[in-house]
Amino acid sequence: EVQLVQSGAEVKKPGESLRISCKGSGYSFTSYWISWVRQMPGKGLEWMGRIDPSDSYTHYSPSFQGHVTISADKSISTAYLQWSSLKASDTAMYYCASERVEQLGPVGWFDPWGQGTLVTVSS
Amino acid sequence: DIQMTQSPSSLSASVGDRVTITCQASQDISNYLNWYQQKPGKAPKVLIYDASNLETGVPSRFSGSGSGTDFTFTISSLQPEDIATYYCQQYDNLPPTFGQGTRLEIK
Repeated sequence: EVQLVQSGAEVKKPGESLRISCKGSGYSFTSYWISWVRQMPGKGLEWMGRIDPSDSYTHYSPSFQGHVTISADKSISTAYLQWSSLKASDTAMYYCASERVEQLGPVGWFDPWGQGTLVTVSS
Repeated sequence: DIQMTQSPSSLSASVGDRVTITCQASQDISNYLNWYQQKPGKAPKVLIYDASNLETGVPSRFSGSGSGTDFTFTISSLQPEDIATYYCQQYDNLPPTFGQGTRLEIK
């Protein structure tokens, strides 16, 4: 069974750095791209960016480019989302989500998702 | 970015009702449209992919249709466990974008 397990909730102060993780199991980690999706409190879903774990190629949404960094370590089947300087507006639930890659490329839908990591940024 | 507009934003219906949600894209996206269900406190789950294909294990009361710019998601007979927020998502162009969501409640 393909499964993504994310790291636990975080409480940080503005200006602090943070890295959250997403560990894949039950499949070949390099066969699925990993995306990160933000959900602010009471709001909808926003795609932040994705990584191909086989070569660490990344693509970011223009809305998040330069604000976060996505990386992966295929040796431990783990993807990461990190911030160098958090803001209060980064308070949200963050989901990782996998996208199967077939011969013609990624399938376009996200399945499965991690359980989410709640990040709270407050002074 | 392609804008996805869902309607209604919220919906109240009775058990057994037929429920329909629409999603309109700001430009032609062919059939590159998926539907997700997000139950309170849980991660989203894909129900329909490529506009009309039912994901494995998803009950047949869920269905999707449409192409181009206009899409429809239907629950043929609403069940209590269907209480959730539903999102459409396009993947014709990067970045993938989601509709704003439709919150479904039981009347």
